[in-house]
Amino acid sequence: EVQLVESGGGLVQPGGSLRLSCAASGFTFSSYSMNWVRQAPGKGLEWVSYISSSSSTIYYADSVKGRFTISRDNAKNSLYLQMNSLRDEDTAVYYCARIDSSSWYFDPWGQGTLVTVSS
Amino acid sequence: QSALTQPASVSGSPGQSITISCTGTSSDVGGYNYVSWYQQHPGKAPKLMIYDVSNRPSGVSNRFSGSKSGNTASLTISGLQAEDEADYYCSSYTSSSSPFVFGTGTKVTVL
Repeated sequence: EVQLVESGGGLVQPGGSLRLSCAASGFTFSSYSMNWVRQAPGKGLEWVSYISSSSSTIYYADSVKGRFTISRDNAKNSLYLQMNSLRDEDTAVYYCARIDSSSWYFDPWGQGTLVTVSS
Repeated sequence: QSALTQPASVSGSPGQSITISCTGTSSDVGGYNYVSWYQQHPGKAPKLMIYDVSNRPSGVSNRFSGSKSGNTASLTISGLQAEDEADYYCSSYTSSSSPFVFGTGTKVTVL
């Protein structure tokens, strides 16, 4: 079964840092590009970041550029999101999602991990 | 990159058909056939329902169909069922520096 499991969420103060992880199983992780997508409480989905299978291509949403860093370890079947200089508006459930690089759709998604930025 | 525009809510009675629109620009929806749709029940992760404008993944009911005309994509749910009550989001590949964009989301209510 293809599965993505996020971890690392929690409560952090404004200006703080947090590192999210996403463990992949059930497919050849090193062959797929991956993404982080977030959803603020009661709000819609917002794409955050993309990383290609070999880490050679990386993109970020303007809202997180310069503060967040996406990375992956294909040997550990894991995706990461290092979040620095966190702001109140970064409060959200963060999902990792595999992307099909020929048709650009997100499938599957993990269950999400909640990040709360508050003093 | 602005979010794609969807109606905030759509409702219908069981057995009826409803259509959700997703309006973008020639840089996203209108420029590529890479529109996908996602269903999200409360507290759950999104689920892929349609990709490449009109293709259904295996396991998704054929009551769900997609189409596109110009800069607007549409998701139609026919034979509406109680289990279809959820939030729905469209997404598109874009030519901007941020290559992916989601719609604003539509809450579907089964009356």
